[in-house]
Amino acid sequence: AQSVTQPDIHITVSEGASLELRCNYSYGATPYLFWYVQSPGQGLQLLLKYFSGDTLVQGIKGFEAEFKRSQSSFNLRKPSVHWSDAAEYFCAVGAGDYKLSFGAGTTVTVRA
Amino acid sequence: SQTIHQWPATLVQPVGSPLSLECTVEGTSNPNLYWYRQAAGRGLQLLFYSVGIGQISSEVPQNLSASRPQDRQFILSSKKLLLSDSGFYLCACEVAGSAKNIQYFGAGTRLSVL
Repeated sequence: AQSVTQPDIHITVSEGASLELRCNYSYGATPYLFWYVQSPGQGLQLLLKYFSGDTLVQGIKGFEAEFKRSQSSFNLRKPSVHWSDAAEYFCAVGAGDYKLSFGAGTTVTVRA
Repeated sequence: SQTIHQWPATLVQPVGSPLSLECTVEGTSNPNLYWYRQAAGRGLQLLFYSVGIGQISSEVPQNLSASRPQDRQFILSSKKLLLSDSGFYLCACEVAGSAKNIQYFGAGTRLSVL
C-alpha cells in the first residue's frame, strides 16, 4: 500500500518570500500525486495533480510541484507567497484504485 | 463540474445521541463517494467509500456506518455517539471510471460531541 510523509508540520514564511513544502511517498510504481489546500473550517481544494509526463506541473494560485522519481518526492513550491496562502496543505498519493493516502499536512503561516 | 453539498455545517450533539450527516453530489453520475474524518491537527482518515448504490466499504471498524440510498447521496450515521466521534467530517467524490483518484471535497461538517 502507498503512504505519504510530510516532514514539516508547520512552516512560517514572510509575505513575498518563496515557499517549498516537502512530500515524500512510498509506492512501488509511479503513483498519482496530488496537493490539496485547506483553509480553516473548509474542505480541501485541489491545487495540482501529477499522473505522468512532464515532471513539473503547474497548478492554481501560482503553485507548482515537481515529481522526482529518484527521491520519491513531490514538493510544492510558490515563488512569492501572499497572506491568503496561509492554510494547511496536504499531499496525497493514489494508485489508481479507489483510495487516496494523505499526509498529515503542513500548516503554513504567513507573516507580514 | 461536480459540486458536493454537505449539511449541516456545524453540529453539537450529546453523547449517546444518534447522528445523520448527509452528502449530495451534483454534476456527475455514478460517482465514487467517500467519507473522511479529520481530527484536530491531524490528517484525513478514510472512513467509508462507495462505488455504487448500496455498495459500502468500511475502512476502520468504529461506531459509525454509511449508506448510499441514491446514486448521488451518501449518508454517515451513528446510533449512539461517543466523545471520540468529534471531528471534522468531509465528503468527497470521484468521477466514476476515471481511475485517476481525483477527489473533490465538500465544505465539511464540524461535529462536537459533548
